[in-house]
Amino acid sequence: NAGVMQNPRHLVRRRGQEARLRCSPMKGHSHVYWYRQLPEEGLKFMVYLQKENIIDESGMPKERFSAEFPKEGPSILRIQQVVRGDSAAYFCASSPGTSQETQYFGPGTRLLVL
Amino acid sequence: AQSVTQLDSQVPVFEEAPVELRCNYSSSVSVYLFWYVQYPNQGLQLLLKYLSGSTLVKGINGFEAEFNKSQTSFHLRKPSVHISDTAEYFCAVTLSGSARQLTFGSGTQLTVLP
Repeated sequence: NAGVMQNPRHLVRRRGQEARLRCSPMKGHSHVYWYRQLPEEGLKFMVYLQKENIIDESGMPKERFSAEFPKEGPSILRIQQVVRGDSAAYFCASSPGTSQETQYFGPGTRLLVL
Repeated sequence: AQSVTQLDSQVPVFEEAPVELRCNYSSSVSVYLFWYVQYPNQGLQLLLKYLSGSTLVKGINGFEAEFNKSQTSFHLRKPSVHISDTAEYFCAVTLSGSARQLTFGSGTQLTVLP
């Protein structure tokens, strides 16, 4: 059973470009979470999605950031008009959605904005 | 809202010595507690978790943790560390009973010295 997959593993963008980060959850998992890890810091929650629904986006910046988890295909975290402060590691986690909540993490996408 | 405090940002220890990484949390409601390990440039791997029942939880790689409700702590311990245990360790909490975002501590860098 493959784990959580994220791609790309590394992404370099210039200021003003768009970044698209993809996450494929573990087989059988219907819940996806996105977290951001800034240098020398812990992970901060961004958004929680189920298929075709955003459940909790309380950690998402109000502008330029969006997330989706379509019926088919991976979850996408999209950052428009990137700025240097967006440079970070972005981790996706998935869970089966049962009450005993264990989240399994992907390897992350390291975004560098030049 | 819940929060997590990891009291030590850096813990150096000699190989084969015991180690304790401290974690305290605050929450007005019942929680689940987790310890994750992150090796350089990798994602997070679950070490152990406390959901309910016995307060002493055993995890992978010889680690264990004890849930202390009165002290709101969930300290991680290992009786004898190896060089390969060098990594960043994160304590995390989520509200019990349903799928929820994880709140992470700021992490503890464990460095095992030869």
